[in-house]
Amino acid sequence: GEDVEQSLFLSVREGDSSVINCTYTDSSSTYLYWYKQEPGAGLQLLTYIFSNMDMKQDQRLTVLLNKKDKHLSLRIADTQTGDSAIYFCAESISNDMRFGAGTRLTVKP
Amino acid sequence: DAGVIQSPRHEVTEMGQEVTLRCKPISGHNSLFWYRQTMMRGLELLIYFNNNVPIDDSGMPEDRFSAKMPNASFSTLKIQPSEPRDSAVYFCASSYPGQGQPQHFGDGTRLSIL
Repeated sequence: GEDVEQSLFLSVREGDSSVINCTYTDSSSTYLYWYKQEPGAGLQLLTYIFSNMDMKQDQRLTVLLNKKDKHLSLRIADTQTGDSAIYFCAESISNDMRFGAGTRLTVKP
Repeated sequence: DAGVIQSPRHEVTEMGQEVTLRCKPISGHNSLFWYRQTMMRGLELLIYFNNNVPIDDSGMPEDRFSAKMPNASFSTLKIQPSEPRDSAVYFCASSYPGQGQPQHFGDGTRLSIL
């Protein structure tokens, strides 16, 4: 397909792990990104992964990349209420980026 | 370090009025992007510039929208005349040039056209 696809909503309990999934479009994308958007703010770059890697870990965040299936995931360990936000997956396309529609993560106490 | 700076943060105006949104990219970033975000359509790329030159404006909805980048540290997005359906959050982002460079976003301008 032409779109970067993500589930629109995810709800988890505080302390649980969250996994946000994404399917991207271009197998030649060299970088894939995760952005976080909190209410009233812009998109904040959380982490990114180079296409020759299959995993990247940064504190509570783990990014997994399956190039064969063009599937990207973001795992947040020990999810906190402050993690409630919209998470966008994005791929690099030439000099541009293509964004998914965003997954709204709700963390319940 | 200063991030991408947008002004105003909020704008409320009546339909038919001219609206000008402003953006100061991060110093040293040669690429600048304007996006529009709505609940219905999500994040849409309107136009982007490399080295102050517009590269792709295919996302600009219609002739009422125009964007300029007179120098490396300033860009404007203008809507004239504005319509209620233009109500949205408009984001500016900047990056270093080249594939793979992540974009850094401003906090956006929330535009309401009455």
